[in-house]
This record gives sequence, structure tokens and C-alpha cells, in this order.
Amino acid sequence: QKEVEQDPGPLSVPEGAIVSLNCTYSNSAFQYFMWYRQYSRKGPELLMYTYSSGNKEDGRFTAQVDKSSKYISLFIRDSQPSDSATYLCAMGGSGGSYIPTFGRGTSLIVHP
Amino acid sequence: DADVTQTPRNRITKTGKRIMLECSQTKGHDRMYWYRQDPGLGLRLIYYSFDVKDINKGEISDGYSVSRQAQAKFSLSLESAIPNQTALYFCATRPGLDTDTQYFGPGTRLTVL
Repeated sequence: QKEVEQDPGPLSVPEGAIVSLNCTYSNSAFQYFMWYRQYSRKGPELLMYTYSSGNKEDGRFTAQVDKSSKYISLFIRDSQPSDSATYLCAMGGSGGSYIPTFGRGTSLIVHP
Repeated sequence: DADVTQTPRNRITKTGKRIMLECSQTKGHDRMYWYRQDPGLGLRLIYYSFDVKDINKGEISDGYSVSRQAQAKFSLSLESAIPNQTALYFCATRPGLDTDTQYFGPGTRLTVL
């Protein structure tokens, strides 16, 4: 079993839909959690970062972490065609080494 | 100008050839990383460096070597390329302990025939 599991999709939704992207993990030492967005032929860019359980909101994006269930989610409200990309979750433990473990990524397609 | 640049952006080579991928950054970050990305496998760490004198192996370092020529430059070499090294390669940087954000370059698409 991989430390971080993420369904690769693709996930296809109509414009305006609420999108839910999820990752599960097995390492209880993970303390920080991130979501990256990767457009085709581009490098990943950080979308959301959180260091605790609960919700964090930024515009149309909400990151949710449930450490007791080892489950994280990214919600996208009012999805747009420009949100079409691959979304990667990443997480890691404490300390200065900072070697995050990435999920495989979920491909999201938002069609007009 | 991009903060993290990678050259070349695309490369096709033959089995057994030596290949060097280069990464440069203007962000002034000490920490640099090399990843490869394969369909269905996500990002896997090859090597990382916390400063010019510090080089560390990642999850999949076999068949690769690196050189940190300066704070701003981190090169990845494939001494004798093989077809299963065909992948998308990313360089990333990180400022230091006060933030966990990594900044990725645009990637190099490498094909080994």
C-alpha cells in the first residue's frame, strides 16, 4: 500500500459544479498537507497548504484535513473550465528535511 | 522571466547516451530538488540538496547523479540512459525552514529510445 492514495480519475464535471478531490494516507506522522495544481505541460504550483485538522478556505477553494481518519479533501466551488488540470496532494512530517510525499494526482476536466 | 528554469525542455536520446538536465533559479533558495513524473505514479524524488556542499539521495536515485555547481544551479545526469528513464523531470526549489512551499520549474520531457 502506498503511503498516499489518490484516485487518478479523470473526473469530468460541468461548469459550475462543486468538485471534491480526495486523498487518504497511512502515515500518522504527517503533519502538513498541501494541494498542487498542474496544468498540462507545466510544473505543479501550490494551491493550498495547511498544518492542522479542519478547513482552510481561499476563494473558491477549500482544503479539509481529517487527521483522525487520515483523509484530506480539496473542494472547488463554482468550477470553471480554467480549473481543468491535474491536482496533486502532498504531505509530510515535521522537521527541517521537508521531503513531501505526493499522491499520483487526479485529472479534472470541467466542461462548459 | 521565470524564477526556476530547466533546459532542455524536450530531449530525445538513445539508449546508452549520457544526458544532462540543467536547472537554474533566480529565487535565491538554498534547497533544490529533482523529481521525475510518470503517468499513474505521481512525483518521485530522485535527489535533493540543501546547500552547495549537501547532496542527498531520494527515493529513486539509481541510474542518476547530480551536481550542485552553485546555489542557483542543480544538474541531473543520466550516465547511460535506458528506456525506462523516459519521463517528465522537474526541478524544484524551497526557501528554507520558514516555509514549506516548493516552486517547480516547467519540466523537461525526456524520451530514451
